[in-house]
Amino acid sequence: QKEVEQDPGPLSVPEGAIVSLNCTYSNSAFQYFMWYRQYSRKGPELLMYTYSSGNKEDGRFTAQVDKSSKYISLFIRDSQPSDSATYLCAMSGNTGKLIFGQGTTLQVKP
Amino acid sequence: DVKVTQSSRYLVKRTGEKVFLECVQDMDHENMFWYRQDPGLGLRLIYFSYDVKMKEKGDIPEGYSVSREKKERFSLILESASTNQTSMYLCASKRTNSGANVLTFGAGSRLTVL
Repeated sequence: QKEVEQDPGPLSVPEGAIVSLNCTYSNSAFQYFMWYRQYSRKGPELLMYTYSSGNKEDGRFTAQVDKSSKYISLFIRDSQPSDSATYLCAMSGNTGKLIFGQGTTLQVKP
Repeated sequence: DVKVTQSSRYLVKRTGEKVFLECVQDMDHENMFWYRQDPGLGLRLIYFSYDVKMKEKGDIPEGYSVSREKKERFSLILESASTNQTSMYLCASKRTNSGANVLTFGAGSRLTVL
């Protein structure tokens, strides 16, 4: 079993939809949770970072961590074609080693 | 704006050739990393370095070596390229006391080995 599981998709939604992207994990020591966005032929860029449990909002993006369920989510409101990308979850504990999910490919259709 | 630069974006090499992938960061970060990214497998850590001339194996070091002679530069070396090393290679860096382990990535080097 992988430490971090992420459905690779692809996920296709119409413009304006609410998008929900998710990861599950098995290591209860994880306490730092990140979402990276990767456009085609580019490197990943940090989108959201959350420490421990709770929600964090940044514009149209909300990151949610539920440590009791070992489940993290990224919500995108009013999705735009420019949001079309691969979204990678990543997490780490005190060891410092960052573990990535496979990435979910999202397409937002105009 | 902080930057990690991978000078070779696209390379095509032949089996058995020696390949150098260069990465330079301008953020004075102590830690640098090399990952490869493959469909269905996500990002896998090849090697990392926490200081000049220091290196540590990641999860898949076989067939690779690295060099860190200067703080800003981290090179990935394929001594004898093979077709199964066709992949996207990503360099990243971070500061040592970055508690969240947030990495800054380069744009990637897509290597094709024929």
